[in-house]
Amino acid sequence: DTGVSQNPRHKITKRGQNVTFRCDPISEHNRLYWYRQTLGQGPEFLTYFQNEAQLEKSRLLSDRFSAERPKGSFSTLEIQRTEQGDSAMYLCASSPLGDTQYFGPGTRLTVL
Amino acid sequence: EDQVTQSPEALRLQEGESSSLNCSYTVSGLRGLFWYRQDPGKGPEFLFTLYSAGEEKEKERLKATLTKKESFLHITAPKPEDSATYLCAVQATNDYKLSFGAGTTVTVRA
Repeated sequence: DTGVSQNPRHKITKRGQNVTFRCDPISEHNRLYWYRQTLGQGPEFLTYFQNEAQLEKSRLLSDRFSAERPKGSFSTLEIQRTEQGDSAMYLCASSPLGDTQYFGPGTRLTVL
Repeated sequence: EDQVTQSPEALRLQEGESSSLNCSYTVSGLRGLFWYRQDPGKGPEFLFTLYSAGEEKEKERLKATLTKKESFLHITAPKPEDSATYLCAVQATNDYKLSFGAGTTVTVRA
């Protein structure tokens, strides 16, 4: 399968712990996006990369959140000092330049 | 700020009972309007992209249309496997992120 992959699929952590999620985009897709989705809502944009450059960050992305895309391939999203309000589905998507975004299966984060 | 409103929030249909979902949007300039399907616990699955008013696209029992202010997703003779949440999103001309609505959850009973 050559779609977008995300790991882990589920993560349960205690408040105050750090967590890191990984996204592997579709091969040769230049753009990579992170979104967050809570129950009953549509995905909300967090940040995106064109190759290795992070071009836009949402106001939702507090200083506890950091994303990287070294070498323009996979990306990681780290949340430091997690809070219960961080519980959500974290979605990654990739696209060729300016085209349709294809989503991965998501990482479900539960903060206890 | 781009805004997307979907209605109704939920739709219960009998198998074979056709219906339409609405997506109203406000955007400074439209690069594209996207429809996705999302099953519980999974990521959104791409269905259609519409770029200009008057455009229509079809896939199996689904047909998407676009005007300058809204889009419709028509479901013709739905089957139980069409049960899902349908998400609408817009992309502005000066940006690449998607702004999503809250979705319409469709349940089709056999």
